Parts: sequence; structure tokens; C-alpha cells
Amino acid sequence: KNEVEQSPQNLTAQEGEFITINCSYSVGISALHWLQQHPGGGIVSLFMLSSGKKKHGRLIATINIQEKHSSLHITASHPRDSAVYICAVEPGGGADGLTFGKGTHLIIQP
Amino acid sequence: DAGITQSPRHKVTETGTPVTLRCHQTENHRYMYWYRQDPGHGLRLIHYSYGVKDTDKGEVSDGYSVSRSKTEDFLLTLESATSSQTSVYFCAIAGLNYGYTFGSGTRLTVV
Repeated sequence: KNEVEQSPQNLTAQEGEFITINCSYSVGISALHWLQQHPGGGIVSLFMLSSGKKKHGRLIATINIQEKHSSLHITASHPRDSAVYICAVEPGGGADGLTFGKGTHLIIQP
Repeated sequence: DAGITQSPRHKVTETGTPVTLRCHQTENHRYMYWYRQDPGHGLRLIHYSYGVKDTDKGEVSDGYSVSRSKTEDFLLTLESATSSQTSVYFCAIAGLNYGYTFGSGTRLTVV
């Protein structure tokens, strides 16, 4: 069973700061996902990564397959970025569902 | 542009009663999943399906059953609800290389 660890668990920052959330996993994967969940809200897929780096607006996600590690960065953070960010991994070779980290609760203060 | 809808959105039920949650998709994706989300545990897989009538158990399947008689519908049944099944339930769909799309969730309270 893949163990997915996220850090930090909680993060409070000021508007405009550069944010980094880390995710590490224990077993090889076929893909890694970053998800966003606003309080009381649904879950939105931000990125699916199998290698390298992806960018969407102010969000950047990177993955290092050899080190079994991924990071999610938010540039020029804004209060609307306040949410729980969840890392999830797909096992290699199948579609047997995701294994999730416990999430990082991010608060951006104005 | 939901593509995936869950019903009901909220439900309160009594211990010992059967409960069925429905997930409906319009994307024609092969793979469908049921997860539960609990504080301190995050999201955990209950059951999944890789096609009509093809289902398999996930990490926390005890007390739950599923059925998929059509591509678009995936039903989750709590055979006899218990207080430990109070949770938020999310359905998700996936197509190969398309990533995952999650439903809006069903908040279930068992009293």
C-alpha cells in the first residue's frame, strides 16, 4: 500500500507570498494528482503529473519520480487560494483508484 | 458542465436502515469510484468499477455494496447503516489519461 505524506499539514501566509506544498510517496506510481477542496465544497482536479512540471496560471506542479516527491507551488498567493490541497497517487499499471494524502490546509490572509 | 452528479446531496437516516447513494455520469467514462472522506483519515476508496457489472473492493468496503448495471450509473448501498458510516461520500469518474472528476459529495448522517 502506498503511503502518501504531505507537508505542511497547515499553512498560513500573507497575500502575495510564494507558497510550496510538498508530497512524498513510498511506492512507484503511474501518475500523481493535485486536488483542491474549498471549505464545504467539492473536489477539483488541478494537475495530473507523470513526469516533469506543469503550470496553470499561478499554480505550478513538479514531480521527481526517482525521489518519489512532488511539490505544488502557488505564486502571488491570494485569499481565494485558501483551501485544502490534496495530493493523490495512482498505482502503476492500473485504474484501481487513488491513494490520498491527508491534505494541506492553506489560509491566505489579506 | 457537471458531467457527474450525486444524489442525494444530504441525507439523515436511522441506524439499521439501508441507504443507497447514486452517482450518474454523462462522460461515458469506464472507471467509477466511491470514496468516503473523514477528518483525520482523508479520502479512502470504498469500491470501484471498471465497467458494467465489473466492480471491486477498495480499502474500506465492509458494510457497503455497489452495483453498476449501466455505464452512466454507479450505486453505493449501505446494507444496514451504522453511526461509523456517517461521512461525506464522493463519487469520481476517470478516463485513461483524462484524470479524475469528482462529484459534489453526499453528506450522510446516521443517527
